[in-house]
Amino acid sequence: DQQVKQNSPSLSVQEGRISILNCDYTNSMFDYFLWYKKYPAEGPTFLISISSIKDKNEDGRFTVFLNKSAKHLSLHIVPSQPGDSAVYFCAARRKGGSYIPTFGRGTSLIVHP
Amino acid sequence: EAGVTQFPSHSVIEKGQTVTLRCDPISGHDNLYWYRRVMGKEIKFLLHFVKESKQDESGMPNNRFLAERTGGTYSTLKVQPAELEDSGVYFCASSQTGLDTQYFGPGTRLTVL
Repeated sequence: DQQVKQNSPSLSVQEGRISILNCDYTNSMFDYFLWYKKYPAEGPTFLISISSIKDKNEDGRFTVFLNKSAKHLSLHIVPSQPGDSAVYFCAARRKGGSYIPTFGRGTSLIVHP
Repeated sequence: EAGVTQFPSHSVIEKGQTVTLRCDPISGHDNLYWYRRVMGKEIKFLLHFVKESKQDESGMPNNRFLAERTGGTYSTLKVQPAELEDSGVYFCASSQTGLDTQYFGPGTRLTVL
């Protein structure tokens, strides 16, 4: 039973436009959320995170929005660049738990020049 | 500083054979994690070492999987005997004590025929 769901396996966006990657979770005990980026033949790398006490966190071109009531978060990339083409994993952790995240299945983003 | 390294990068074996995967964490990182991603699915936690001790092995699929971490340095994950469903990419990650950022290795792609 998936606790973190990324329902879009892939997303295609034009360079310069906004990319929006979505993630839903079912476990109300999750209180910290992360996005990882993965290039082919490499391991995931941490991109950005958000605590449940916030509803937005911004880092350069990347912004994560959290809607706790809907158990939904999204990653916005503006403007999108061809180098952003990668698989993006949403992950979540529980209150008081270890630092072990529960991952979604990933969304493959392709940014066309 | 060298990142997390994993060996081999690819392994193709037949059902019933034994395979040993190796992970060298970032120097000084006491925490070492193993994860697995079956094609197209989520990255799933397998186990967590703190130094040489197994802190959490709740994600290990069954007793055909054996993980060790010699002297709190590198770790090995042995699958014996391998089954078809063991195919996937095995990731290792490490982190410093008290810090939640995990650094992932490039993974070992295991194919069981």
